[in-house]
Amino acid sequence: DTGVSQDPRHKITKRGQNVTFRCDPISEHNRLYWYRQTLGQGPEFLTYFQNEAQLEKSRLLSDRFSAERPKGSFSTLEIQRTEQGDSAMYLCASSSYRENTEAFFGQGTRLTVV
Amino acid sequence: DAKTTQPTSMDCAEGRAANLPCNHSTISGNEYVYWYRQIHSQGPQYIIHGLKNNETNEMASLIITEDRKSSTLILPHATLRDTAVYYCIVRVPLSSSNTGKLIFGQGTTLQVKP
Repeated sequence: DTGVSQDPRHKITKRGQNVTFRCDPISEHNRLYWYRQTLGQGPEFLTYFQNEAQLEKSRLLSDRFSAERPKGSFSTLEIQRTEQGDSAMYLCASSSYRENTEAFFGQGTRLTVV
Repeated sequence: DAKTTQPTSMDCAEGRAANLPCNHSTISGNEYVYWYRQIHSQGPQYIIHGLKNNETNEMASLIITEDRKSSTLILPHATLRDTAVYYCIVRVPLSSSNTGKLIFGQGTTLQVKP
């Protein structure tokens, strides 16, 4: 068990470009979350997957954002037509299905839009 | 919105106990208290959680008041590596109808000083 893995760790992109981030959860964790964290703030929830089904999306997840989790394994978060306001740390977390269980976070992908 | 209130910052001398308070006066009967910490530029790290009884693990102790309206995280012998932002979060139990997402507030910045 190597924990939650996120790739890349850092991404610099020009405004208007599309970017895609990947998250590999802990194996056999069927719950997967994406969060966004801007400087000086706590992480904010973006979206939730239970297996391959996307069951909740925050209003923060604009139309330019899309997330997938094919076959209930890894997940991707894509941002289209990036804006400077998208600059943030994007965090992925996973947990098992047990009722009283903690979520484990990855190290995040830091996106800078220039 | 976060359902907890924490001091913005605290200092602690290295080797002494760090006591981090959290108010959660509107906590519901089935909501757990979770603590995470985030060291600069890393993903949040799970510390401990509890429902009504005090809990202890290798990292910390969690003391929950009898009325459950507040709690204290105790790091028994703080080290410089414990310098981080500490988040207190209330969370409903995971279930088929609940995503278990974490709602982060601003947290407490703990500075451990030599």
